[in-house]
Amino acid sequence: QQPVQSPQAVILREGEDAVINCSSSKALYSVHWYRQKHGEAPVFLMILLKGGEQKGHDKISASFNEKKQQSSLYLTASQLSYSGTYFCGTANPRPGTYKYIFGTGTRLKVLA
Amino acid sequence: SQTIHQWPATLVQPVGSPLSLECTVEGTSNPNLYWYRQAAGRGLQLLFYSVGIGQISSEVPQNLSASRPQDRQFILSSKKLLLSDSGFYLCAWSLSGTGATYAFFGQGTRLTVV
Repeated sequence: QQPVQSPQAVILREGEDAVINCSSSKALYSVHWYRQKHGEAPVFLMILLKGGEQKGHDKISASFNEKKQQSSLYLTASQLSYSGTYFCGTANPRPGTYKYIFGTGTRLKVLA
Repeated sequence: SQTIHQWPATLVQPVGSPLSLECTVEGTSNPNLYWYRQAAGRGLQLLFYSVGIGQISSEVPQNLSASRPQDRQFILSSKKLLLSDSGFYLCAWSLSGTGATYAFFGQGTRLTVV
């Protein structure tokens, strides 16, 4: 079963902040975040490997709560270029599987 | 460095016609390989994945099939396309042997069945 993301969609003005959540009913071994522009393939943003880990790149950061089986993506002072659909992704690392699935997605639109 | 090639970029096929989409990865060996489908405005649905040559796991029952004839080649096929097969098809690869694996995507194939 795929992770559920919330919200499904969000509209921001430039400079505003947003939080995207990813929640799984199964254990998360690692969480990965992607952004997909319209008509293009998803692009990897960052990986979180263990519970409690937080990462950041420019004004985009993420956290991973292993116990709650959740991850959140934080977009600070959003820019027009942040528009797109965000997906969390996760893999079951059990040897011989490595089934890789994505969350339900969050559409984000940043307005000038 | 690793690269992934997927072709064609766009395809228009009549209902009932066959399909063959090909994906190849360069610069790595024994990758995990994946096929996803994305309907317009929707999420990424995992169709097939493979951890080795000839090893295919199917996630969704449908009229599609996948094959991995070589280590870095992944093929998606159909004998007879349905209108519902239209969508954006994405091939992806990830590193094997680690729980930290994440996915790299090909450019995608936009398939329209008419």
